Amino acid sequence: AQTVTQSQPEMSVQEAETVTLSCTYDTSESDYYLFWYKQPPSRQMILVIRQEAYKQQNATENRFSVNFQKAAKSFSLKISDSQLGDAAMYFCALVGKIQGAQKLVFGQGTRLTINP
Amino acid sequence: KAGVTQTPRYLIKTRGQQVTLSCSPISGHRSVSWYQQTPGQGLQFLFEYFSETQRNKGNFPGRFSGRQFSNSRSEMNVSTLELGDSALYLCASSDGKQSTDTQYFGPGTRLTVL
Repeated sequence: AQTVTQSQPEMSVQEAETVTLSCTYDTSESDYYLFWYKQPPSRQMILVIRQEAYKQQNATENRFSVNFQKAAKSFSLKISDSQLGDAAMYFCALVGKIQGAQKLVFGQGTRLTINP
Repeated sequence: KAGVTQTPRYLIKTRGQQVTLSCSPISGHRSVSWYQQTPGQGLQFLFEYFSETQRNKGNFPGRFSGRQFSNSRSEMNVSTLELGDSALYLCASSDGKQSTDTQYFGPGTRLTVL
């Protein structure tokens, strides 16, 4: 079974500062992908960043970057220069590379508040 | 490209009724997955359709069913609604060739069961 755990139900950060959201996971798959999705109050789930497990280099996307520690099964998201528009629920998700079996497993989410 | 669209955005039903939700994927995407989001259970996978065939299924009762049409549009049906079915139902589309293809989500349908 695959599981994803986000241990921080809520986080807050001052605008322009940096914040890191934690995620740990468990899977028996040797090849898998990890994702961070953002869900603002509008409820639309938006892809933030994705990481392929076989790649050692951490993915980055503008102000968003990940710290992927495969041995520790950890996949944290760092948001630099936080902006008010970053306020949202953030979900960590995992999908195993099983042929023809698209099924994202999500963590419980972290609610991020940006303080002006 | 237009994004994933879901209709209706909001629904109110009573217990025992049935409901049909619709999802139109991004043009060219052949896979549509459905997820249920509730405060208590979080985001849970319902099922995935690819080329009109159910390819994967989560742990939901048979009251939850779906289908996919030749144009890749998908519908989800819930029969004999229960109070616990109140949730945000999200659909996501992807290319579908690999299980790891990025899924792009629609805005969701908020279902309230009274």
